[in-house]
Amino acid sequence: SYELTQPDSVSVALGQTARISCGRTNIADYNVHWYQQRPGQAPLLVIYKNNNRPSGIPERFSGSNSGNTATLIISRAQFEDEGDYYCQLWDRSVAMFGGGTKLSIL
Amino acid sequence: QVTLKESGPVVVRPTETLTLTCVVSGFSLNNNRMSVSWIRQLPGKALEFLAHIWPNDDENYAKSLNDRLTIAKDASKGQVVLTMTNMNPADTGTYFCARRTLTYNYGMDVWGQGTTVTVSS
Repeated sequence: SYELTQPDSVSVALGQTARISCGRTNIADYNVHWYQQRPGQAPLLVIYKNNNRPSGIPERFSGSNSGNTATLIISRAQFEDEGDYYCQLWDRSVAMFGGGTKLSIL
Repeated sequence: QVTLKESGPVVVRPTETLTLTCVVSGFSLNNNRMSVSWIRQLPGKALEFLAHIWPNDDENYAKSLNDRLTIAKDASKGQVVLTMTNMNPADTGTYFCARRTLTYNYGMDVWGQGTTVTVSS
């Protein structure tokens, strides 16, 4: 099991909004980062510090973090957004990753 | 351009020690705003943090693997080396190095392509 809890899979219709959750007690006390991983590729940082996009990441990616749940939000989901998504935080200089969520675009 | 590239043996035997090298370019390992982690991914599994090294050479390790791991860097060569002792088939997977940067509040913004390691006799 993982200390950060993510759903195994999320499906969303093309053009709709996908939401992927990441749960941990008092996760709002941490900065949560999100990574996208396509098959056979290295992870890509898509959200840092809860709700910020690195340069080059489309505006449709956003995030939130409150209470015990952080959420990655993908608006107007595209086929190219399919892949695995991981939440991550640093706890006393040790990185923790969620178990990953497979996003499917229907 | 910032890049990281992992290298190491493709196959190791059970009980052997694995040594992986991450060569970085485009930034300095002495830069206080940046540091390097090793992360692995076992087949079909999630990302798993292994170790991290700071510009001042402080080290952090995953609790579950702490007694098997050592991380070190040579800033003059732009290299970060990870050793893992007593390898076993359950350690088969892809090993990544990644840069952690204060620019992105310690998100890992650049990753190597990964190197695949198989543990087999």
